[in-house]
Amino acid sequence: EAGVVQSPRYKIIEKKQPVAFWCNPISGHNTLYWYLQNLGQGPELLIRYENEEAVDDSQLPKDRFSAERLKGVDSTLKIQPAELGDSAVYLCASSNRRGQTGELFFGEGSRLTVL
Amino acid sequence: EDQVTQSPEALRLQEGESSSLNCSYTVSGLRGLFWYRQDPGKGPEFLFTLYSAGEEKEKERLKATLTKKESFLHITAPKPEDSATYLCAVSKTGTASKLTFGTGTRLQVTL
Repeated sequence: EAGVVQSPRYKIIEKKQPVAFWCNPISGHNTLYWYLQNLGQGPELLIRYENEEAVDDSQLPKDRFSAERLKGVDSTLKIQPAELGDSAVYLCASSNRRGQTGELFFGEGSRLTVL
Repeated sequence: EDQVTQSPEALRLQEGESSSLNCSYTVSGLRGLFWYRQDPGKGPEFLFTLYSAGEEKEKERLKATLTKKESFLHITAPKPEDSATYLCAVSKTGTASKLTFGTGTRLQVTL
């Protein structure tokens, strides 16, 4: 079974430039998450989707971050414009049964460096 | 405010030297406590879910336990391949699928 696929794995951009990350979850998983992980820290939830609906986006900085999950399958996270403090790893995860068991399946992440 | 604190930040063991990692939490209305393993450059990998005080789960050399204030991840006779960062997370009743993670314990097991 294929895991959660993310791209790109690495991205280096200059500040004020836009960037987008893509995630394809495990087939059949209706719940999709985007997490942010800073170096030496645990992941922090940015947004959670149930199918196409964003059910928890309270931690998403909406002035510069946006996300979408068209058709309830893959998802895109966008930052525009990027700031130096956005340098981090962006993790996508998916789960079935609405994640009630706490078993989330994570992708390998997209590492962003903003210069 | 909900808090998850892991200790120690880093731990170095020799192969076969058993030890425990600690996760203390302050959460109003705990739904579940979760342990994940994260290798460098990878996403976290699920290990265990614990729901109630007194519960224990085992997997190979790992055993997770839960009390009303903390959880322990016991590592028995570790091997170098157990080297990783171990993350603890909690969820609350009403928001079961929203996990709050601790900062992790970096474990290194040497020969």
